Amino acid sequence: AQTVTQSQPEMSVQEAETVTLSCTYDTSESDYYLFWYKQPPSRQMILVIRQEAYKQQNATENRFSVNFQKAAKSFSLKISDSQLGDAAMYFCAFKRSNDYKLSFGAGTTVTVRA
Amino acid sequence: DAMVIQNPRYQVTQFGKPVTLSCSQTLNHNVMYWYQQKSSQAPKLLFHYYDKDFNNEADTPDNFQSRRPNTSFCFLDIRSPGLGDAAMYLCATSRDIRMDSTDTQYFGPGTRLTVL
Repeated sequence: AQTVTQSQPEMSVQEAETVTLSCTYDTSESDYYLFWYKQPPSRQMILVIRQEAYKQQNATENRFSVNFQKAAKSFSLKISDSQLGDAAMYFCAFKRSNDYKLSFGAGTTVTVRA
Repeated sequence: DAMVIQNPRYQVTQFGKPVTLSCSQTLNHNVMYWYQQKSSQAPKLLFHYYDKDFNNEADTPDNFQSRRPNTSFCFLDIRSPGLGDAAMYLCATSRDIRMDSTDTQYFGPGTRLTVL
């Protein structure tokens, strides 16, 4: 089974500043996908960003970007220019390429200070 | 907008009284999933349907069952809810089981179940 570790239970960031969430994973697979999902309070979980393991280039979606280090099995999420609407729980998730199952980390709660 | 809908958003039941949670989707996706998420924890996959094929996770208690009468709807039945079953239940869908680079899981808003 794949293990996904998010070592930061909580992170706080000032509005307009940058915050980085860490995620490491353990796998023997070479082909897989990594995801960051955002779950705002009382709202549905949505996909923030996805990374295919075979792609060396780090994925970017507007203010969200990742630092994917395949050899180190690290997949951090950077939120730039943080906004109040970014406050949520963020889950890192792993999926083998030929599997359906998402393995989630324990989550990181992000608080944005006005 | 195409989406995953869960009803009700909040459900209260009594200890041991059967309860059914509902999920519908307008995405026409082949796969539907049910997750259990306890407070401040990661979602835990209970089972999924790939079209009409039901797939139970190995550690899902027998108390949890599911039905998928058609592509759009999927139900979670808890036969005899215990206090430990109080949680948020998330429904999700994906276009296909392997979820290639253009696919992902789309989540509903969840149903929060309280067991008295």
